[in-house]
Amino acid sequence: DTGVSQNPRHKITKRGQNVTFRCDPISEHNRLYWYRQTLGQGPEFLTYFQNEAQLEKSRLLSDRFSAERPKGSFSTLEIQRTEQGDSAMYLCASSLVGSRFSYNEQFFGPGTRLTVL
Amino acid sequence: AQSVTQPDIHITVSEGASLELRCNYSYGATPYLFWYVQSPGQGLQLLLKYFSGDTLVQGIKGFEAEFKRSQSSFNLRKPSVHWSDAAEYFCAVVSGGYSTLTFGKGTMLLVSP
Repeated sequence: DTGVSQNPRHKITKRGQNVTFRCDPISEHNRLYWYRQTLGQGPEFLTYFQNEAQLEKSRLLSDRFSAERPKGSFSTLEIQRTEQGDSAMYLCASSLVGSRFSYNEQFFGPGTRLTVL
Repeated sequence: AQSVTQPDIHITVSEGASLELRCNYSYGATPYLFWYVQSPGQGLQLLLKYFSGDTLVQGIKGFEAEFKRSQSSFNLRKPSVHWSDAAEYFCAVVSGGYSTLTFGKGTMLLVSP
């Protein structure tokens, strides 16, 4: 399968612990997005990369959150000192675009469900 | 700021009946609009999209949507619903310099026998 993959699919952690999620986009896609989806809500944008450059960050992305895409391929999202309010589904998506101000379909992964106890 | 409103949280439709899910958007320029479907444990799957041109767009699984600029709407329709259509449906608009998606809160579709 050559779709977007995310690991782990589920993560349970205790408040105050650090967690890291991984996203592997579709191989030729140059753009990678992170979204968060809480219960009863639609996905909310967190950040996105074009190749290895992080081009935009939402105000939802507090200082405890950091994302990287070191070689323009896979990406990691780390949450430090987790809080119960961080419990959510974290979705990754990728797309292939020609320039910064162009758009193309985003393909979503299955998500990582985080539960903070 | 761009926003998307899906006024119906839940909708129940009998199998074989027609379906219309409502979506209203707020966006200053010509919007890029999307409908996604999410089944339990699955990622979001794109049903259809509107960028420009014909205001009636056809998608996968027999879905269609009509863009009405005067009503700021992009409603999703299907003439005959199947039990496998039960899922959550999200309307979205591209925002942020054509880079990110703004989603509505979703409509959960239940299909009764």
